[in-house]
Amino acid sequence: EEQLVESGGGLVQPGRSLTLSCAASGFTFENFAMHWVRQAPGKGLEWVSSLSYNSGRKGYADSVKGRFTISRDNAKKTVYLQMNSLRPEDTAFYYCVKALGFNYGQWGQGTLVAVSS
Amino acid sequence: DIQMTQSPSSLSASVGDRVTITCRASQGIRDDLTWYQQKPGKAPKCLIYAATNLQGGVPSRFSGSGSGTEFTLTISSLQPEDFATYYCLQHNTYPQLTFGGGTKVEIK
Repeated sequence: EEQLVESGGGLVQPGRSLTLSCAASGFTFENFAMHWVRQAPGKGLEWVSSLSYNSGRKGYADSVKGRFTISRDNAKKTVYLQMNSLRPEDTAFYYCVKALGFNYGQWGQGTLVAVSS
Repeated sequence: DIQMTQSPSSLSASVGDRVTITCRASQGIRDDLTWYQQKPGKAPKCLIYAATNLQGGVPSRFSGSGSGTEFTLTISSLQPEDFATYYCLQHNTYPQLTFGGGTKVEIK
């Protein structure tokens, strides 16, 4: 069974950093692009970042560009989202997604990041 | 960047109604569009991929149409379990992707 398990969320002060991890299992991780999607409480889905299977292509939403960095370790079957200079508006559930947009996509259960003093 | 304008943002409908949700792309995206359904507290679920293809296991009352800049999700006969929020997603400009703003379908 395919599974994505996010971790690393929590309460953090504005301006601080946090790194999210997403551990994959049940599929050939190194063959798929991975993505992060977030959802602020009561709000819509927002695409955050994408990373190709070999880390050769990556993209970021304008709202996080220059502050967030996506990376992956195919040997560990894990994708990361390093979040720097966090702002209150970054407060959201963060979902790790395999192959976003495709019928064989898979979502994690999400991890909550709360940015507050 | 491509903008996805989804409408309406919310609607009220009754069981058995036909419901139509639209997404417009700010530029052509061929058929690189996916429709998701999300229920409270749950991760989104893929309903339609490549604009018109029904995801396996999804009831046939859901259908998608369109190509280029205008896309439609139709629920032919709304069922109680269909009350949820629906999102479109364009992935034509990977690795830059864009969601629509969402449509909340509520009970009338």
